[in-house]
Formats: sequence, C-alpha cells, structure tokens
Amino acid sequence: GNSVTQMEGPVTLSEEAFLTINCTYTATGYPSLFWYVQYPGEGLQLLLKATKADDKGSNKGFEATYRKETTSFHLEKGSVQVSDSAVYFCALIGRGNNNDMRFGAGTRLTVKP
Amino acid sequence: DTAVSQTPKYLVTQMGNDKSIKCEQNLGHDTMYWYKQDSKKFLKIMFSYNNKELIINETVPNRFSPKSPDKAHLNLHINSLELGDSAVYFCASSQGGAGGNQPQHFGDGTRLSIL
Repeated sequence: GNSVTQMEGPVTLSEEAFLTINCTYTATGYPSLFWYVQYPGEGLQLLLKATKADDKGSNKGFEATYRKETTSFHLEKGSVQVSDSAVYFCALIGRGNNNDMRFGAGTRLTVKP
Repeated sequence: DTAVSQTPKYLVTQMGNDKSIKCEQNLGHDTMYWYKQDSKKFLKIMFSYNNKELIINETVPNRFSPKSPDKAHLNLHINSLELGDSAVYFCASSQGGAGGNQPQHFGDGTRLSIL
C-alpha cells in the first residue's frame, strides 16, 4: 500500500540556519504530495503541495520538489525563524483510492534564537 | 469564517463513560474524516465519509461510531471510554471523491483525556 517515510526528529536549529526535512514515498502510479505544518495546540495546516513530477510547491519560504526518480519530496527552507518551530508532516494521496491521505510520522522542528 | 470546526476543544472524562465529538465544515466539501493523533504526534485515519456514505473504516474498535447527518457534519461517538482512547482527535474535510488530489482541511482538534 501507499506510505510515506520522513526523517525522524526532533530537529533543532539556530535561527537563520538552512532546513531540510527528508520525505520519501511508496505509491502506485503518481500520487499528489503535500507538506502540512502543525503549530503547538493547533490543527494541521496545508503548507504546500505538488501534484505531478517536477512540480515545485512553495509557501512562506518553504519549498519542496516532486522527484519521481527518487520518489522524494524533501522540504527545504533557506533561513528558518523561531516562528517556524512546529511539527511538519509529509503526506500523499494516491490515485484511485478514495482520497485516502497517508501521513508520515511527523518531524518536530525547534528553532532557537 | 470558513473553516472546519469541532467541539469540544477539550474533553476530560472518566473511564467507562460515553462521549461525543462534533464536527462541522462550511467549506462545501463532500468528504469528511476523523483522525486520531497519539502523544508522539502520529496521525492515524479512523473514518472517512463521502456525501454521508462511509468509505474508509480503518481498524477501529466498534466502540467508536461515526455519524454523518449531512455532508457538512461528521460526529464521532465513543462508548465505554478506555485509558488508551486518550489522544487528540482531528476532523478534516476535502473536496472530491475517489482519486482526487485535493488537500484536506483540518479542525483544531479535540483533546480527550481519560481519567
């Protein structure tokens, strides 16, 4: 079945550091890929998405590129801020499976001033 | 405001009780979901309804019973609560049915604590 694997956390960075959170997937066909962010005490919010190979999703300085050849969708940001501290979830929706979204285990990011 | 709203936000109750969590979305979506998030933040889908019809029913104890009176509402009733039911429960909604690629919109969660 479809699944998502993302790097284990927690990840702790200093402000203005470069961020990469790795995400790889297993799916039949070509899934749509997403990154969600969960701030403390809140629900998940869609951060960015890509629906086909080589698409780049971007939002709030975060980027992720849909790489079919490596089945990856790594999240990157060039300069993190304290306000980026949150849990980040990689997710996919496979084709033809009733819109069943599969989430990775989540990666907790803490940015220190 | 357009949103997915769930109530209550916090629920503290004793083992053995029966409780319900309500969810409403005014986004015009036709698919709604319930997820359980454990203390390690792992998200597990429980149920999904499309136009009031159950389409996903993961391995969940039958003490959990979803009810969808209309496509804008998906409530979750839990009988005979157990300690292991303590978690944050998230409602979500999305547009589109099978094979769609629309993202899901989440409520703020209901934190359930069993004493």
